[in-house]
Amino acid sequence: GAVVSQHPSWVICKSGTSVKIECRSLDFQATTMFWYRQFPKQSLMLMATSNEGSKATYEQGVEKDKFLINHASLTLSTLTVTSAHPEDSSFYICSARGRRTGNSPLHFGNGTRLTVT
Amino acid sequence: AQSVTQPDIHITVSEGASLELRCNYSYGATPYLFWYVQSPGQGLQLLLKYFSGDTLVQGIKGFEAEFKRSQSSFNLRKPSVHWSDAAEYFCAVGPSGGYNKLIFGAGTRLAVHP
Repeated sequence: GAVVSQHPSWVICKSGTSVKIECRSLDFQATTMFWYRQFPKQSLMLMATSNEGSKATYEQGVEKDKFLINHASLTLSTLTVTSAHPEDSSFYICSARGRRTGNSPLHFGNGTRLTVT
Repeated sequence: AQSVTQPDIHITVSEGASLELRCNYSYGATPYLFWYVQSPGQGLQLLLKYFSGDTLVQGIKGFEAEFKRSQSSFNLRKPSVHWSDAAEYFCAVGPSGGYNKLIFGAGTRLAVHP
């Protein structure tokens, strides 16, 4: 089946530094990737949608200058948390959809746990 | 506004017992409905989905769900729970067109007693 690899699986960084999270589709071409954020014991909140080769579309309330998303190829999207602060600590999950119709299923990565100290 | 409600935050069942997880949605058009399962520290795995047709859908791992338009519900069921089913379960709704911009419920954490 389709596999989405997310790296790193966990990261600890100091306040004020930037962190990059990678999301790769290993065996299919991902035209669309979605980035979610999940707070402890809460649901997933969609942060942004990225289509290969174009700018990401951010959900209301998500700072695009803080959460930089790049989807430069059909197999890779990155989320960079810039100038991270403790309140950015969370579980970030990406999902990817292949190059077909809207009914092509989403495949989720295993998530990245970010802790900002 | 579109929303998904999972009334039960936490459910505990005995191994071998039946299970029903509730999901209610609010959506203006015909929704696409999904159930996902998440193990601790992991991503989400699709259990089943409803797009159209038969309102009783079968999924993986012995799960099924029934779409009831009159009740705006899409409850997940399993006749006999296994200890390995302990996880977090999320119901999600999406616009027509499939998997775009899914809206997730708050999740139900399932514990299974031996």
